[in-house]
Amino acid sequence: AQRVTQPEKLLSVFKGAPVELKCNYSYSGSPELFWYVQYSRQRLQLLLRHISRESIKGFTADLNKGETSFHLKKPFAQEEDSAMYYCALSGRTGNQFYFGTGTSLTVIP
Amino acid sequence: EADIYQTPRYLVIGTGKKITLECSQTMGHDKMYWYQQDPGMELHLIHYSYGVNSTEKGDLSSESTVSRIRTEHFPLTLESARPSHTSQYLCASSSRLNTGELFFGEGSRLTVL
Repeated sequence: AQRVTQPEKLLSVFKGAPVELKCNYSYSGSPELFWYVQYSRQRLQLLLRHISRESIKGFTADLNKGETSFHLKKPFAQEEDSAMYYCALSGRTGNQFYFGTGTSLTVIP
Repeated sequence: EADIYQTPRYLVIGTGKKITLECSQTMGHDKMYWYQQDPGMELHLIHYSYGVNSTEKGDLSSESTVSRIRTEHFPLTLESARPSHTSQYLCASSSRLNTGELFFGEGSRLTVL
C-alpha cells in the first residue's frame, strides 16, 4: 500500500525562523515525491518535485530513501509562506497520486 | 486561456437528489482525476481516467460514478445524495508527457442536508 504521512497538522513559526515540514512515505517501488501548496482562497498547486532538485520560493526538499522521508525546508520563513502544504507520492507510471493529510503553516510576523 | 474549470463551486441539496459535478479542462491533458478533500484528512482519490472511455475507481470507496466521453470533460455523478457525501470535491488533470504535475480546479463544495 502507498501511504504518505505528515505528522504535523499545524505548524507555527516566526518570520525569519527556519521551517521544516515533515513527510514520510511508504511505497513498494521507486516513488516520485512532490510538495503541493494551497494558499488562502487559491487552488492547490505544485510547489516542487524531488526529481527536479530545485529550490522554489526558497523551499527545498531532499528525498531520503533510507529514512523514507521527503521533508520540506526553508531557512527563513516569510509571512507569504503561510498556507496548507501537502506531500504527495506517485508511482513511476504517474497514473495515481497519493496525498498526505496536509500541514497548515502559519508564519507569525 | 488553458485552465481547468469546475461547476458548481457551491451546492446545497437535499437527500436523495441526483447531482452532477462538472469538470472541464482546456489544457489538452489525457489524465483526469477526482479527489475528495475534507479538513484534516488526506486528499482521497475517488476516480481517475487515462483518456477517453477509460475510467477507474480510486482507493476511496465512492458511490459516485464518472464518465469520459470527451477528452476535456470528466463529470462526476451521485445518483442519490446523502449527508455523508458532504465534502469538497477537487478535479485535476495532468499530461502524460509531464507526469507529476497535477493541475487542480477550484473545487466544488457539496452540502447534502
